[in-house]
Amino acid sequence: IVMTQTPLSSPVTPGQTVSISCRSSESLVHSDGNTYLSWLHQRPGQPPRLLIYKTSNRFSGVPDRFSGGGAGTDFTLEIIRVEADDVGVYYCVQVTQRPHTFGQGTKLEIK
Amino acid sequence: EVQVVESGGGLVQPGGSLRVSCEVSGLTFTRDVYIDWLRQAPGKGLEWVGNIMLDGTEKNYVDSVRGRFTFSRDNAKNSLYLQMNDVRAEDTAVYYCARGFGSAWNFVWGQGTTVTVSS
Repeated sequence: IVMTQTPLSSPVTPGQTVSISCRSSESLVHSDGNTYLSWLHQRPGQPPRLLIYKTSNRFSGVPDRFSGGGAGTDFTLEIIRVEADDVGVYYCVQVTQRPHTFGQGTKLEIK
Repeated sequence: EVQVVESGGGLVQPGGSLRVSCEVSGLTFTRDVYIDWLRQAPGKGLEWVGNIMLDGTEKNYVDSVRGRFTFSRDNAKNSLYLQMNDVRAEDTAVYYCARGFGSAWNFVWGQGTTVTVSS
């Protein structure tokens, strides 16, 4: 399954809202009824951290400024009231089928 | 709390071999529990290399490493291993072990170990 993210880069001003799109080449609905689409955030020099799992569930400790949505083949990560600490690269990843596949990453930069 | 720590990275010549380790704590080596191996080439995105069920009965590999890389485990040492054979320049990357990024169950992602393939 090919995962395509847009945009690949997003310069934003603190306080603004940013939306990242992730599209899959096939439906991500698993036979168990779940849609295993996650969002990860990676700061420079750090391993990724989990933000969103199963399309729209925030992982423990993730601020409610982050939200995920979508269904089937089209998914979105939205970050409201962007903060300087949100910089880094955001990846979508599908875990519905093997091989698990990642989007190219979206680099969030603060203006 | 589940923790993983990778080790064993280094410099290896093209065509050579290297074994990377992942020490796991806080998780029982049982059926239906997987550990994933992932990698990230310098300045590039994330790539799933494969995974191993912790009882060792199932192993899955991405096409680009199948036949060259092998996953194994040592229950007594709470460790998993990634044996890399016939390595190529394109295998140069930070190698991570992780789990739970699909379901959030026992999510963990290690700090990674760097493998450089160069003559």
